[in-house]
Amino acid sequence: DGGITQSPKYLFRKEGQNVTLSCEQNLNHDAMYWYRQDPGQGLRLIYYSQIVNDFQKGDIAEGYSVSREKKESFPLTVTSAQKNPTAFYLCASRDLTGNSGNTIYFGEGSWLTVV
Amino acid sequence: AQSVTQLGSHVSVSEGALVLLRCNYSSSVPPYLFWYVQYPNQGLQLLLKYTSAATLVKGINGFEAEFKKSETSFHLTKPSAHMSDAAEYFCAVSGSGGYNKLIFGAGTRLAVHP
Repeated sequence: DGGITQSPKYLFRKEGQNVTLSCEQNLNHDAMYWYRQDPGQGLRLIYYSQIVNDFQKGDIAEGYSVSREKKESFPLTVTSAQKNPTAFYLCASRDLTGNSGNTIYFGEGSWLTVV
Repeated sequence: AQSVTQLGSHVSVSEGALVLLRCNYSSSVPPYLFWYVQYPNQGLQLLLKYTSAATLVKGINGFEAEFKKSETSFHLTKPSAHMSDAAEYFCAVSGSGGYNKLIFGAGTRLAVHP
C-alpha cells in the first residue's frame, strides 16, 4: 500500500543527545514536511522540502536539522540544542503536480520523550 | 499571509446531536481549505477539502463543510454525532499553488457523550 512510514513510534532520549526520526514515503510526492505537535497548540512547521537536495526552514526550525538525499526520504534530527524536544512529531508529504488537490498526507507520528 | 482560527478548543455533544465545528480563515490569495481528524496517538486523516469547486463539500464519515467567502468561514458539520466521532479536528488553509504551506488551526477536541 502507498503511504508514509515514520519510525520509531516511540523514542526516549537522554538530555544532550541527538536523535533522528525516520520518514519514508512511496507516494512519489515531491514535497515533504515535518510538523511538531504540542497539546493545545496545533501543528507547527519545522522544515519542509519541495525537491531533492533542497529544504527550507519552517516556523520553529531552531534545534532541528533535516536532509533530503532521496525523494522518498526526509529524516529529521532533533539536536541537543532543541531546548524542549518532548513532543509528537508528524511527517507529511504532498503531490505538487496538483493531481490530488494540494492535499497533504500524514504519517502515523513519532513520540519523542526526553528523560 | 494566511491564518486559521478555530472557535472553541473543546466541543461536547450528545450522541445523535448535530456537530458544528467552527473555522474562520484569512488568506490574501484564493484559498484551499481542509479539515483533518486525529485520533489519539495517530497521524492526521483528511476528512474533506475545498479547492474552488463546489462550495458545499462532502467528506468521509458523514461530515460536510460549506465554504462561505463573505464570512471567510469553513465550518464543519455532521447531522448526527456518533461515539466514534470523538477526536481532535483541525482546520487548515493553503494557497492554491502547490508550493504554498499548509497552515493549521489550533484544533477542536470533540467529545460525544451518550
